[in-house]
Amino acid sequence: EPEVTQTPSHQVTQMGQEVILRCVPISNHLYFYWYRQILGQKVEFLVSFYNNEISEKSEIFDDQFSVERPDGSNFTLKIRSTKLEDSAMYFCASQGQERGEQYFGPGTRLTVT
Amino acid sequence: AQSVTQLDSQVPVFEEAPVELRCNYSSSVSVYLFWYVQYPNQGLQLLLKYLSGSTLVESINGFEAEFNKSQTSFHLRKPSVHISDTAEYFCAVIASGGSYIPTFGRGTSLIVHP
Repeated sequence: EPEVTQTPSHQVTQMGQEVILRCVPISNHLYFYWYRQILGQKVEFLVSFYNNEISEKSEIFDDQFSVERPDGSNFTLKIRSTKLEDSAMYFCASQGQERGEQYFGPGTRLTVT
Repeated sequence: AQSVTQLDSQVPVFEEAPVELRCNYSSSVSVYLFWYVQYPNQGLQLLLKYLSGSTLVESINGFEAEFNKSQTSFHLRKPSVHISDTAEYFCAVIASGGSYIPTFGRGTSLIVHP
């Protein structure tokens, strides 16, 4: 069964550094998403991506964040200058034609020290 | 805007006992409802969904949920739980006709004891 994959599973970085989180969505899916989950809190929407552009973003997704689909298979989330409060689990999801049914990756745990 | 409330942050239960995980939502438009499960160190997996039709929906592993429009609820139930059901369960809602971005509840940790 096809699945969404994410790398790395755990990333530790120092405050102020740039990080890139990578995702490989399911190959025939059209919609892509990033979410984050701060420890003990709810899953929060960050951004959605369709047809090679951002379709929607939350207030969390400020100028420090960017997304890219560089080669038609990977979907990346970049945080330019990490802050302590960026420490969280980051989930990628993709969705096919059936709107609403998203498939999630296993997540990347980002720890900012 | 829609919102989701999962009243119980943690539900401990003994193996083979029944369980109900509560989910209430608010929305000014009709909704689609989902339950996701997150096993330790894994991502979210779709457990079941209500889009339209029968208000009672079932998963392949014995869970069911019933959409109750008058009570704006979508509680998740299982008549007899297993140790392997120990996980975090998230209720989510999507407003129909909108952007299809789900709003998640805070999650309920189901802990099944032997």
